[in-house]
Amino acid sequence: DQQVKQNSPSLSVQEGRISILNCDYTNSMFDYFLWYKKYPAEGPTFLISISSIKDKNEDGRFTVFLNKSAKHLSLHIVPSQPGDSAVYFCAATNSGTYKYIFGTGTRLKVLA
Amino acid sequence: GAGVSQSPSNKVTEKGKDVELRCDPISGHTALYWYRQRLGQGLEFLIYFQGNSAPDKSGLPSDRFSAERTGESVSTLTIQRTQQEDSAVYLCASSSSPGITGNTIYFGEGSWLTVV
Repeated sequence: DQQVKQNSPSLSVQEGRISILNCDYTNSMFDYFLWYKKYPAEGPTFLISISSIKDKNEDGRFTVFLNKSAKHLSLHIVPSQPGDSAVYFCAATNSGTYKYIFGTGTRLKVLA
Repeated sequence: GAGVSQSPSNKVTEKGKDVELRCDPISGHTALYWYRQRLGQGLEFLIYFQGNSAPDKSGLPSDRFSAERTGESVSTLTIQRTQQEDSAVYLCASSSSPGITGNTIYFGEGSWLTVV
């Protein structure tokens, strides 16, 4: 049972445009969500997070939106840069537990 | 150390041999996780350690897999009688406040295992 789903395995975006990466979850108990970025041959690095008490969190070019009723979150990158090309994982957890459930990742390619 | 440190970074082993992968978490982090990523797949939870509590081994795929952690320091993941399907990158992560809202886990660079 895939509790966290990233249905788009890949995405290509022109440099300077907006990148939108999507993530859906099924477990209504999840209350904290994270995005990680992973370059080839490196471990995932934390990017941005959001608590379920918010619907938006912004950090520079990165904004995460949470729609609890739809059990959907998205990561917006504006403007996209070639250095943003990586695999992006969303993760979810219930803050009463320690388990983080990851999606399968979306490979973003930003074209110069 | 400043970050999560894993060794070896790369390991090629023959089918049937045993391998040990090591993880040194961020100093002061009480929680330690092992994940696995096989080619083209997502991050798969393997095992979780928190302080002196019994580890959550629910993600270990078979009894060929085991892990140990001494106190709140280094952990070793052991794979016995390796199979080709064990080929993956094994990622270790640590965190300081598991179960607390806003807690973030931090990953090492991974140990890339190839079974030939």
